[in-house]
Amino acid sequence: GENVEQHPSTLSVQEGDSAVIKCTYSDSASNYFPWYKQELGKGPQLIIDIRSNVGEKKDQRIAVTLNKTAKHFSLHITETQPEDSAVYFCAASDGGSQGNLIFGKGTKLSVKP
Amino acid sequence: DAGVIQSPRHEVTEMGQEVTLRCKPISGHNSLFWYRQTMMRGLELLIYFNNNVPIDDSGMPEDRFSAKMPNASFSTLKIQPSEPRDSAVYFCASSPGGADTQYFGPGTRLTVL
Repeated sequence: GENVEQHPSTLSVQEGDSAVIKCTYSDSASNYFPWYKQELGKGPQLIIDIRSNVGEKKDQRIAVTLNKTAKHFSLHITETQPEDSAVYFCAASDGGSQGNLIFGKGTKLSVKP
Repeated sequence: DAGVIQSPRHEVTEMGQEVTLRCKPISGHNSLFWYRQTMMRGLELLIYFNNNVPIDDSGMPEDRFSAKMPNASFSTLKIQPSEPRDSAVYFCASSPGGADTQYFGPGTRLTVL
């Protein structure tokens, strides 16, 4: 089955700097890769996603890149702000299932003012 | 749309008691997922349904856990009897179906004393 590895587990940056979180997956049949942001006391919320027919997608300060050959995808946040502080999860669709997502362990991002 | 609705938001109970968590998915979504989140184990998939039918319950910890989806707009997760190690935040999520975005509810924080 699918396995998703996420790094780093914690990340601390200064306000205004960029943050990068990386994930690898194992199932070549995976074709959908969402990223979620979880703030304290709330459920994970989708922030951006990418499908296997696209290599990069951008939405304002956040972008996701996908390398299907190497089976890895990354989240890039530019011009970080204190409100970006949260736990971020990557996920990959389980190619053998009917819609299941396999989640990484999460990255706790801290943006220092 | 109101999003995924979960109740109760908080539950405190004593060991041995029965606990029932409830979820109303987003209208029109065909897939429903139950997750458990703890600091130690992260986000774990317990069970998921497609068109009200359980597809994969391999994540259910043991026979004390059971889940039902009697119709497209309601699901329950029951723990009987509850134990202190069941203390966690339980999330329900729904998606349109297939490899697609999952939308999470706010979660139920369960404390078993």
